[in-house]
Amino acid sequence: DIQMTQSPSSLSASIGDRVTITCRASQNIGSYVQWYQQKPGRAPALIIYAASNLQSRVPSRFSGGGSGTDFSLTISNLQLEDFATYYCHQTYTTPRTFGQGTKLEI
Amino acid sequence: QVQLAESGGDLVKPGGSLRLSCVASGFTFSDHFLSWVRQAPGQAPEWLSYISTSGNTIYYSDSVKGRFTTSRDNARNSLFLEMTSLRADDTAIYYCARELRHYSGLSKVFYMDVWGKGTMVTVSS
Repeated sequence: DIQMTQSPSSLSASIGDRVTITCRASQNIGSYVQWYQQKPGRAPALIIYAASNLQSRVPSRFSGGGSGTDFSLTISNLQLEDFATYYCHQTYTTPRTFGQGTKLEI
Repeated sequence: QVQLAESGGDLVKPGGSLRLSCVASGFTFSDHFLSWVRQAPGQAPEWLSYISTSGNTIYYSDSVKGRFTTSRDNARNSLFLEMTSLRADDTAIYYCARELRHYSGLSKVFYMDVWGKGTMVTVSS
């Protein structure tokens, strides 16, 4: 199975900050990575697909990058509504796997 | 508006069975692959299964292979997850999700764009 290792596992930041979350795959997975945001009691919501493509209606302060084994999610100018847990997810092969999550706290 | 709605979650005893349903609206159901994902309390999501548009191709994670069965009824815009031999570690919120494809050069990236709100399955004696 492909392991997706996210870092950090938690992150404290302030409104207006720029933060980056990273995800490392245990093997080359091209651009087969998605990023999801999850708030308490809600289903995960897609932010980035195919490593760097912004999902419709997601604010442009979110951006994704990387390919191969190293990927990143960057949030610029943090807003209050961005404080949540973020997961990377690979769909290169089955079983599809998620990272363990990064909790972004104020 | 694209929507998915799961139902069928319940409290069940270890060794028991349960059938989850997911009803779709707002899009052409038969055009899309679909997935099941679960999330245990305080844990990351775990992908369980996906099914092709016709239902002829289905993949499962090792954790549920042989115990869970995914199927779909395109005439009823419905996806199903038949769960048997349930264990305590199957306790989770179960989500269904729609799949899209993104083409980039020679790559075809599948991804889950819309998820339902989930249905809770608790396995306990």
